[in-house]
Amino acid sequence: DVKVTQSSRYLVKRTGEKVFLECVQDMDHENMFWYRQDPGLGLRLIYFSYDVKMKEKGDIPEGYSVSREKKERFSLILESASTNQTSMYLCASTPGAGVYEQYFGPGTRLTVT
Amino acid sequence: GENVEQHPSTLSVQEGDSAVIKCTYSDSASNYFPWYKQELGKRPQLIIDIRSNVGEKKDQRIAVTLNKTAKHFSLHITETQPEDSAVYFCAARAAGNKLTFGGGTRVLVKP
Repeated sequence: DVKVTQSSRYLVKRTGEKVFLECVQDMDHENMFWYRQDPGLGLRLIYFSYDVKMKEKGDIPEGYSVSREKKERFSLILESASTNQTSMYLCASTPGAGVYEQYFGPGTRLTVT
Repeated sequence: GENVEQHPSTLSVQEGDSAVIKCTYSDSASNYFPWYKQELGKRPQLIIDIRSNVGEKKDQRIAVTLNKTAKHFSLHITETQPEDSAVYFCAARAAGNKLTFGGGTRVLVKP
């Protein structure tokens, strides 16, 4: 069974704080993704990574950055958290090589006050 | 880039009835169309997918149909049960391993 874990289920931060969300997968997957989930907007892609140290912007990268120093770990960074970044953040991974099923982590509900 | 529209946003059905969710996509190069189910408080999980060389795929009570000409695909759930209550997301893949998701449909099955 593929296991994707995220560092926190719930997080409360103050405006202006630097926030780190971590995602770890244990199946040697090539590709990793960060989404935010908001009611009525579905899952919107923030950033993704095809390989270690590689990253590409998704549809809503503004205000976020990412880091992938090891294959199994993909971090999402909010450099200066704002209230409009209050959301559910989901990490996902896929094996690559023509297999597109995404395996999701449990999500982190971030509240910025 | 790809754009995926999903309708309806909410769907209430009586137990035993059928449910249909429709999605349209914009990029004619899209060739993979998965459906994910997200139960309350849980992570999204793949329930069925279809590739562009197939028009229909069925797995027990769920089926997906694809119309490439019209650029739309649909999820059909027959004989709905209370455990089918969840949010369902469609998605489309145009290039690489990136998926574009629809806005989601909240399905409520009333006993």
